[in-house]
Amino acid sequence: AQKITQTQPGMFVQEKEAVTLDCTYDTSDQSYGLFWYKQPSSGEMIFLIYQGSYDEQNATEGRYSLNFQKARKSANLVISASQLGDSAMYFCAMRERSSQGAQKLVFGQGTRLTINP
Amino acid sequence: DAGVTQSPTHLIKTRGQQVTLRCSPKSGHDTVSWYQQALGQGPQFIFQYYEEEERQRGNFPDRFSGHQFPNYSSELNVNALLLGDSALYLCASSLGPRGNEQYFGPGTRLTVT
Repeated sequence: AQKITQTQPGMFVQEKEAVTLDCTYDTSDQSYGLFWYKQPSSGEMIFLIYQGSYDEQNATEGRYSLNFQKARKSANLVISASQLGDSAMYFCAMRERSSQGAQKLVFGQGTRLTINP
Repeated sequence: DAGVTQSPTHLIKTRGQQVTLRCSPKSGHDTVSWYQQALGQGPQFIFQYYEEEERQRGNFPDRFSGHQFPNYSSELNVNALLLGDSALYLCASSLGPRGNEQYFGPGTRLTVT
């Protein structure tokens, strides 16, 4: 079974600083996908960024980038120039595919990010 | 472009009762997955529906059942509610059961008293 570990329950960062949220994963699959989601207090899970296991370059989406280190099985999220609106829970997730052709997301425990003015 | 919608937003039920939650997928999506998120935890996969059939199921008892309609919308039913069923229930839609991008709805917060 696949597993996602997020070791930082909470992070506090000053506005405009960069922040790195840690994520390590465990899988025996050769092909897999890694996701980061943001969950504000409203509850909705907002897709941020995706990295495929065969992608040679780190994924980037605006201020978000994914520091993918395959040998270390880590997929850290980097947010540049943090903003007050970045305060939320952040979840790392891995795609797990079944033999029946379906797939599900396996989530970590999450990191609560607080941006201080 | 309509995103994923869920109803109701909040729900309070008593132990032993039954509940039905509803989800409409993002426009153009045909696959719906349901997740349960207990307070302070990451979401846990319940099941996925595609072509009106349950394609994959997580580690949840048979009290949890679902349905998908021809218009791709879906229902999650929970029977004989327990206090431990109190959680945020999230619906996610994708294009195909292996679609990489899963778009989530705002969730239904269920409280069982």
